[in-house]
Amino acid sequence: AQSVAQPEDQVNVAEGNPLTVKCTYSVSGNPYLFWYVQYPNRGLQFLLKYITGDNLVKGSYGFEAEFNKSQTSFHLKKPSALVSDSALYFCAVRDIGEGGKLIFGQGTELSVKP
Amino acid sequence: SAVISQKPSRDICQRGTSLTIQCQVDSQVTMMFWYRQQPGQSLTLIATANQGSEATYESGFVIDKFPISRPNLTFSTLTVSNMSPEDSSIYLCSVEGRINTEAFFGQGTRLTVV
Repeated sequence: AQSVAQPEDQVNVAEGNPLTVKCTYSVSGNPYLFWYVQYPNRGLQFLLKYITGDNLVKGSYGFEAEFNKSQTSFHLKKPSALVSDSALYFCAVRDIGEGGKLIFGQGTELSVKP
Repeated sequence: SAVISQKPSRDICQRGTSLTIQCQVDSQVTMMFWYRQQPGQSLTLIATANQGSEATYESGFVIDKFPISRPNLTFSTLTVSNMSPEDSSIYLCSVEGRINTEAFFGQGTRLTVV
């Protein structure tokens, strides 16, 4: 079965510094990987995805993610964090063997301080 | 992208009662899903809402507890029946297209059972 892990429950970053939110995955076959963000009292918003092609994927709000097949990772990055980036971030993978349903990581709380 | 309207946004309910959550999409979609997000947890898929037939439930979720309707391609409801405090969660509606596309989420229903 497919799975995804986010090893950090919380990431703290100073505003203006680069940020990384980590994600590793386990799949059989080619992975379909996604990042979502959840602001307080809101649903999930799509940030970016990797299906195929370039390993560096650019998404919304200045975020990007790097797909690394050898390390089975899909870390979310941003060169310069904003206080408004503070939110809960979820990595997800498609379970191709289970009808394509999304499997979510446990989430990482990002806190950006001024 | 799809615009999803989910109602109510929040509710406080007495144990033993039932709550029906509505999900309206601004366009016809093939795949609709219902998720549960327990406090401090990730998202767990409850079921796939199938248009014109019974929903497909994930392990641990049953129709008697979470009856789902999907009368057409733009609307679905989830009922949380005979509620207990353990049902206190955020419930999210989601829609998807093809397997290599992202999912879109409603803003969620925050349910508190007292």
